[in-house]
Amino acid sequence: DTEVTQTPKHLVMGMTNKKSLKCEQHMGHRAMYWYKQKAKKPPELMFVYSYEKLSINESVPSRFSPECPNSSLLNLHLHALQPEDSALYLCASSQDRHQPQHFGDGTRLSIL
Amino acid sequence: TQLLEQSPQFLSIQEGENLTVYCNSSSVFSSLQWYRQEPGEGPVLLVTVVTGGEVKKLKRLTFQFGDARKDSSLHITAAQPGDTGLYLCERGDDMRFGAGTRLTVKP
Repeated sequence: DTEVTQTPKHLVMGMTNKKSLKCEQHMGHRAMYWYKQKAKKPPELMFVYSYEKLSINESVPSRFSPECPNSSLLNLHLHALQPEDSALYLCASSQDRHQPQHFGDGTRLSIL
Repeated sequence: TQLLEQSPQFLSIQEGENLTVYCNSSSVFSSLQWYRQEPGEGPVLLVTVVTGGEVKKLKRLTFQFGDARKDSSLHITAAQPGDTGLYLCERGDDMRFGAGTRLTVKP
C-alpha cells in the first residue's frame, strides 16, 4: 500500500468541466509534487511545493492550478482542459526538496 | 535543461539472465534515485546514491554511482519475471527522470 493517497483513481471529464485532483500524505513530508505521465513516457515534473509554498512551476498552462491547503494535502484544480491533457497524474512527497520521493498511484485522467 | 540519458529503452530477456541499465548526465549531480514502476501504479523507490563510486546492493540488484557523479548503473543478476517493469532514474538536483527502461523477463 502506498503512503501517498490520490483521489480519484480515474476521472473522465469534458473540456468545459472543472474538477480537482487530491493528494494526501501523513509522513510529515514538507515537499510535495505533481507530475504528468503520458503512456510509455517518464513522469514530467509540473509543480513543487516546499513548506506549503509553490517553489517550482515548470511553465505549466494556467488551466492547471495547484493548491496546498496544509502540509498534508495537495490539490490540482483543472479547468478547460484539452484532449492532449489526458494522462496519468502522479503526486509525490519527500522529507524536503531534492530528497527521495514517495509516489501515489496516480489519477488516470481522460478528457473527452 | 541538462539531459539525463537512460539506456536501453527496451529490454526483453529470459529468466535467469543478467542485465545492466545505464543512466548518464552531461553534468555532475548531487544524488540519483532509481525507481521501478509497474502498470497502474506509481514509481517505487529502489535506492538513492549520493557518493561518487558508491555501490549499493538490494538482493539481486546492484546500483553503482560513477566516480565523477555523472553516471549510474543498475545491474540485475538472474532476472526473474517479477522484475518486469519500467525502471527509472531520477536526478535529485532537478527531479527530472530519464526516459526509462522497460524490462520484460520471460519465464
